[in-house]
Amino acid sequence: GAGVSQSPSNKVTEKGKDVELRCDPISGHTALYWYRQRLGQGLEFLIYFQGNSAPDKSGLPSDRFSAERTGESVSTLTIQRTQQEDSAVYLCASRAQGASTGELFFGEGSRLTVL
Amino acid sequence: SQQGEEDPQALSIQEGENATMNCSYKTSINNLQWYRQNSGRGLVHLILIRSNEREKHSGRLRVTLDTSKKSSSLLITASRAADTASYFCAPPDAGGTSYGKLTFGQGTILTVHP
Repeated sequence: GAGVSQSPSNKVTEKGKDVELRCDPISGHTALYWYRQRLGQGLEFLIYFQGNSAPDKSGLPSDRFSAERTGESVSTLTIQRTQQEDSAVYLCASRAQGASTGELFFGEGSRLTVL
Repeated sequence: SQQGEEDPQALSIQEGENATMNCSYKTSINNLQWYRQNSGRGLVHLILIRSNEREKHSGRLRVTLDTSKKSSSLLITASRAADTASYFCAPPDAGGTSYGKLTFGQGTILTVHP
C-alpha cells in the first residue's frame, strides 16, 4: 500500500485477555516505531526497530508488552493480560533508510479499549 | 532520552490570526522536526529544520531554531479553522540525528475559531 497500515483500527477486549496489533510499514522502510497515546495525552515511545539491529525496547512499560518484526516488513505489538490502563491508541510509524528528512510516516492507529 | 517540550499546552485564536508554538529541548541536535495531529488520527510531518538553519518557511508555516537556547518555534500565519490540531516537535535522540529513536512531547493543542 501507499502508506502505513494498522489493524485492527478498533479493538474492544476484556481485562485479562491478550491482544495483537499489526503494523504494515511502507515498503522498503527499514525503521519502524510503536507509540502509545492515551486520551488527551502526548505520544509515549514504546519500541523502535531498525533493520536487522536489536530493537530499542526501552519504552515498553512492562513485560506484558512485546513486539516483533520480521525483517523489514510487518510488525506485531502484543499486550498480554490486558489492563484497563492499557486503553489507548497505539500508533505505528515507519521511516526510510537514510532519509534526508528523517521523516516518520504514521498509520492511523489502533484504538484499544479494555473493559 | 531527548524529548521536546511544547509551550503553550493549549492555544485558542480566531481565524486570520497568527499562532506561535514553542519547543524546548535538552541536548544538542543537528535537526528538529515538527508534526501535526488531527484529532484521533496519525501524525503528519510538517517540516524539518537543520541546525545550520535559523529559519525555514513552508507555505504559511515558519519555523525557527535557536541552538544556543535549545529552542524552536512554529508560526502559522493567517490561521484557518482547518489548522485546528495538535502540534508536536520532535528533536532527535542519541547522536543528535533523526535516524534513531524519536520521542514526542505533550504537544500544543491549537483551536482556531471561525
